[in-house]
Amino acid sequence: SQELEQSPQSLIVQEGKNLTINCTSSKTLYGLYWYKQKYGEGLIFLMMLQKGGEEKSHEKITAKLDEKKQQSSLHITASQPSHAGIYLCGARPLNYGGSQGNLIFGKGTKLSVKP
Amino acid sequence: NAGVMQNPRHLVRRRGQEARLRCSPMKGHSHVYWYRQLPEEGLKFMVYLQKENIIDESGMPKERFSAEFPKEGPSILRIQQVVRGDSAAYFCASSPYRDRAAFFGQGTRLTVV
Repeated sequence: SQELEQSPQSLIVQEGKNLTINCTSSKTLYGLYWYKQKYGEGLIFLMMLQKGGEEKSHEKITAKLDEKKQQSSLHITASQPSHAGIYLCGARPLNYGGSQGNLIFGKGTKLSVKP
Repeated sequence: NAGVMQNPRHLVRRRGQEARLRCSPMKGHSHVYWYRQLPEEGLKFMVYLQKENIIDESGMPKERFSAEFPKEGPSILRIQQVVRGDSAAYFCASSPYRDRAAFFGQGTRLTVV
């Protein structure tokens, strides 16, 4: 079955520092999604990547998907306390050239930003 | 355009009772997904529905759990004869098409006492 591994599990950074979170799949992905979750709340959609080598940015967050579509990274530049939360990668497994439809998730990376 | 609405936000049930969790997807979204999140654990996929049809229920326990998404009205996740182990946060998400980004509700926190 498809699995997503996220690293690191948790991360504490000083405000203003850059950081990277990784997401690795055991199989080729149809699509890769990044979400952020604050404690006790629902998930907020950040970005979606579908093409190998694709890179997207929004404000200070950049996400990349490798050419083989099995690994993605999320990079935050000049982190702020507002970036704190749990970051989850989600993916739709590839199935016979298309997606299976359902979304599976990694266990998440807990980010704390020290002022 | 209102987001995904889940209710209730908090639900307390005694062991053996039934729990009904509701999810109204975003307007124009016909695909609904249910997930369970336990403390310190990730989101576990339960079931994927598309208007009146169950597409994938591979993550759903075979007993006591059922889901539906009728032609009219919200999607319902039903848990019969709840046990303490069912205590968790249950999240619903919706998307307009099969391969688009899914948007999540705020979740229902079920506590079984």
